Amino acid sequence: QQPVQSPQAVILREGEDAVINCSSSKALYSVHWYRQKHGEAPVFLMILLKGGEQKGHDKISASFNEKKQQSSLYLTASQLSYSGTYFCGTEILGALKTSYDKVIFGPGTSLSVIP
Amino acid sequence: DAGVIQSPRHEVTEMGQEVTLRCKPISGHNSLFWYRQTMMRGLELLIYFNNNVPIDDSGMPEDRFSAKMPNASFSTLKIQPSEPRDSAVYFCASSFGELAGMNTEAFFGQGTRLTVV
Repeated sequence: QQPVQSPQAVILREGEDAVINCSSSKALYSVHWYRQKHGEAPVFLMILLKGGEQKGHDKISASFNEKKQQSSLYLTASQLSYSGTYFCGTEILGALKTSYDKVIFGPGTSLSVIP
Repeated sequence: DAGVIQSPRHEVTEMGQEVTLRCKPISGHNSLFWYRQTMMRGLELLIYFNNNVPIDDSGMPEDRFSAKMPNASFSTLKIQPSEPRDSAVYFCASSFGELAGMNTEAFFGQGTRLTVV
């Protein structure tokens, strides 16, 4: 049930853009994105609920395509502070269609922004 | 609020010893989660509680692992007996939502780095 993330790792220069993808083999109720810096705890970025919405957080935004069971995280004009490991967490669509369930995190995408 | 507080931050113990990890969630939060993080397995959900009641413990690896939440402000994760393969960073997280589960922003503690030798 663990979602698949791609790429596994990416190196960017400051100002460049990046896209991190997250996909599931099962229908999803929600997708959660977190960033973890080395030696620190994961920090919440955003949650996307079924309905195909797109959200933004400063220069970081995400989309959720429930038909394709995929989500993408977009980082534009990357900054040094964006470096870290990005995790997507997926919540499977329950039988009741609105029931919440546990969030399973993907393996993470390591992003390094260099000057 | 001081955030989610975990103790100890680091624990080194010998194989076979009992280990107890502690967590104080953010006041007012009604869901609490224990995660284990390793390079090989990533972030694994071990167990989560809603309103102090264990909802899903299917991620608890073995009977050696147990978790309790006696009240809304305290939870423990116990490993007895500990083994070298239990070495990992253990995170506690809490959130507030209308229903059980992580349906809103979850706040993670700083983690406990456990080393079993």
